[in-house]
Amino acid sequence: DSGVTQTPKHLITATGQRVTLRCSPRSGDLSVYWYQQSLDQGLQFLIQYYNGEERAKGNILERFSAQQFPDLHSELNLSSLELGDSALYFCASSVVTGELFFGEGSRLTVL
Amino acid sequence: EDQVTQSPEALRLQEGESSSLNCSYTVSGLRGLFWYRQDPGKGPEFLFTLYSAGEEKEKERLKATLTKKESFLHITAPKPEDSATYLCATYGQNFVFGPGTRLSVLP
Repeated sequence: DSGVTQTPKHLITATGQRVTLRCSPRSGDLSVYWYQQSLDQGLQFLIQYYNGEERAKGNILERFSAQQFPDLHSELNLSSLELGDSALYFCASSVVTGELFFGEGSRLTVL
Repeated sequence: EDQVTQSPEALRLQEGESSSLNCSYTVSGLRGLFWYRQDPGKGPEFLFTLYSAGEEKEKERLKATLTKKESFLHITAPKPEDSATYLCATYGQNFVFGPGTRLSVLP
């Protein structure tokens, strides 16, 4: 158990809909990272937050947004969903620029 | 731009057959190189951090080494439960993950 909690574990929705994925980092970790992993694909970095502020942005679509709240949990919002958005979405946390600890992921299926 | 490549893409070993996985990187100002294990449908599990050339870390049947341009993950006498995808990642300005090596260990 990495200590990073993600909900929901599975989500099935339709094209055009909007979903929110939630992540609680390890106790004491200030940084939260979001990654997307499509079937048999590598980890694609989406966005990083540090203590509530956006720190780095990767290949995140304009239809996607994220935020980190004062209690350090983070949410990834995915809107106007397309079939190609079906993937595993991982959250990871780290306390300093060191190891990332990943959650178990949220599997999104868009039908 | 920082880049990380891994080879081979896939590797099949017989139980007990030792081998090595390669991670080659081009990073400005490397601050750390990390190895992860990922089982299908699960989150990557942290294995090792290496910070400087010449450093080695060991854990059970796994040993990670680092040079100025590469890292190797040596697997000694692997067992079927070592089957997984092994990911290498670097941290310079940002984290960059390699595509992984899919390891299958046959009984």
